[in-house]
Amino acid sequence: NAGVTQTPKFQVLKTGQSMTLQCAQDMNHEYMSWYRQDPGMGLRLIHYSVGAGITDQGEVPNGYNVSRSTTEDFPLRLLSAAPSQTSVYFCASSYRLKETQYFGPGTRLLVL
Amino acid sequence: AQKVTQAQTEISVVEKEDVTLDCVYETRDTTYYLFWYKQPPSGELVFLIRRNSFDEQNEISGRYSWNFQKSTSSFNFTITASQVVDSAVYFCALSGTNTGNQFYFGTGTSLTVIP
Repeated sequence: NAGVTQTPKFQVLKTGQSMTLQCAQDMNHEYMSWYRQDPGMGLRLIHYSVGAGITDQGEVPNGYNVSRSTTEDFPLRLLSAAPSQTSVYFCASSYRLKETQYFGPGTRLLVL
Repeated sequence: AQKVTQAQTEISVVEKEDVTLDCVYETRDTTYYLFWYKQPPSGELVFLIRRNSFDEQNEISGRYSWNFQKSTSSFNFTITASQVVDSAVYFCALSGTNTGNQFYFGTGTSLTVIP
């Protein structure tokens, strides 16, 4: 089992560019989520999914889109990058909601 | 409202000292789950423990122990005989049956163990 994988590990964008952060899990988990981590603010939920075809917004969804076409993949799209989106992004998955979430290694994003 | 408070932003201890990391939570749920995660300097998030609200027994795992007290809405984490490898940011998290589909994380406590 690879667990939860994320690509890329590091990315530099210019303001206004778009990109997709990839997340995949091979544990057949129903629940997947995206967080951003900023200094002093802990982990804040961006979007989550309780199964293929079902997504919903978390605490800080603005500027991000998600889709869940398969159980394994949960990509996060930045539509038009802004410096405020400079952060470390973590993807997580769990077998079901309320079960332990397992995290990917993170993607460090810098928006200039 | 669901909320997790980790009032200790940063803690420094000398190696071999014991240290307790505080976690206080708020929830209206009667059934909920509490978690601790460790984030070492390498950046990954490592799961440490999950407890449900019906199990108030303290848990010990090696040098780690957890004290869950519903009466004070606390789920504190103690490291005994701390080691340099314990240096990390530790997060407490809450998930309830009626919180929607979300986990709520505290802002974390940064622990530095000085050799």
